[in-house]
Amino acid sequence: EPEVTQTPSHQVTQMGQEVILRCVPISNHLYFYWYRQILGQKVEFLVSFYNNEISEKSEIFDDQFSVERPDGSNFTLKIRSTKLEDSAMYFCASSEEISQAFFGQGTRLTVV
Amino acid sequence: AQTVTQSQPEMSVQEAETVTLSCTYDTSESNYYLFWYKQPPSRQMILVIRQEAYKQQNATENRFSVNFQKAAKSFSLKISDSQLGDTAMYFCAFKGAGGTSYGKLTFGQGTILTVHP
Repeated sequence: EPEVTQTPSHQVTQMGQEVILRCVPISNHLYFYWYRQILGQKVEFLVSFYNNEISEKSEIFDDQFSVERPDGSNFTLKIRSTKLEDSAMYFCASSEEISQAFFGQGTRLTVV
Repeated sequence: AQTVTQSQPEMSVQEAETVTLSCTYDTSESNYYLFWYKQPPSRQMILVIRQEAYKQQNATENRFSVNFQKAAKSFSLKISDSQLGDTAMYFCAFKGAGGTSYGKLTFGQGTILTVHP
């Protein structure tokens, strides 16, 4: 069964460093998303990406965040200068149509 | 903006019993989708069940079923014959289907379900 794949599963980075989280969505999907879950809290929407551009973003998704689909298969989330409060589980999701939503297994980001 | 509320932070049930998790939502959209996701300790998000708002029939998936009350904006999850593997955090989620929607999910706060042997 096709699945969304995220790498790495756990990333530890120093405050102020840049980090790139990688995702390989399901191949025929058209809509791509990043979500964040701080430990013990609910899952929050960060950004959606459709037709090679950002279609919607939340207030959390400020100038330190960016997304790319560099080669037609990967979908990346870059955090330019990490802060302690960026420590969270980051989920990539993709869907072929609006009614679906398939999640990857998540990347745990720890900022020290 | 849509909101999703899960009023039960924690629930527990005995193995083989039935449990119902509550969810209410608020939206001005007429067409949308509702989901229940399971998050076990591994923290992966696993889709349990999906409901289209335009369908009156409640969705079912094996031991999982929903009670969708559109007028009341209520979407509860019933788990029958609970198993130890059902122990997890359960999230209710809303996804709009309007013309300007690109399908973002809005999640509730989650309910921790513990199944006791």
